Amino acid sequence: RKEVEQDPGPFNVPEGATVAFNCTYSNSASQSFFWYRQDCRKEPKLLMSVYSSGNEDGRFTAQLNRASQYISLLIRDSKLSDSATYLCVVKSNDYKLSFGAGTTVTVRA
Amino acid sequence: GAVVSQHPSWVICKSGTSVKIECRSLDFQATTMFWYRQFPKQSLMLMATSNEGSKATYEQGVEKDKFLINHASLTLSTLTVTSAHPEDSSFYICSARYMNTGELFFGEGSRLTVL
Repeated sequence: RKEVEQDPGPFNVPEGATVAFNCTYSNSASQSFFWYRQDCRKEPKLLMSVYSSGNEDGRFTAQLNRASQYISLLIRDSKLSDSATYLCVVKSNDYKLSFGAGTTVTVRA
Repeated sequence: GAVVSQHPSWVICKSGTSVKIECRSLDFQATTMFWYRQFPKQSLMLMATSNEGSKATYEQGVEKDKFLINHASLTLSTLTVTSAHPEDSSFYICSARYMNTGELFFGEGSRLTVL
């Protein structure tokens, strides 16, 4: 079983729509969780950290469910510029980072 | 935010040659840098952890004699793909941990094509 699993998508949504997707992780001892954004043929960039109580950054909302071992990302009022691959990143207690394969989101006009 | 620069961005080489990729932290010191490889539509796979002044730590299945890593200073780590073969063609990305916040910053990536 992969350490971090994501639905690859693609999620094709119209502008203004809400899109949400999850990421599951296998190591129950994982400490920290992040969402990174990766544009085609570019390096990943930190979108947001995910906190236990859930957190929001503008149109983006991240949630953590430790019991079920998943994190989620919700994008409200989608913009064309939100089109990208979203990587779920999990840090274990030995500071090892594990990456999901990414979820592709395409926002259409 | 902190900047990590990778060079070259693109490289095409003949099978059997060696290719060196540089990773620099431009405005901060990084005692630890990481090297990843990403094949199309796959996740980033950690290859090795580069430690300044000491030997790199390689992940299982990564040949240390094929992927030479040198972290000679607090701002520079290099990855050398020795005797490259077509199956080594991939997107290689480095990252450095910003010590103050723990955030990971990535280089722009180097796309290697071995003919």
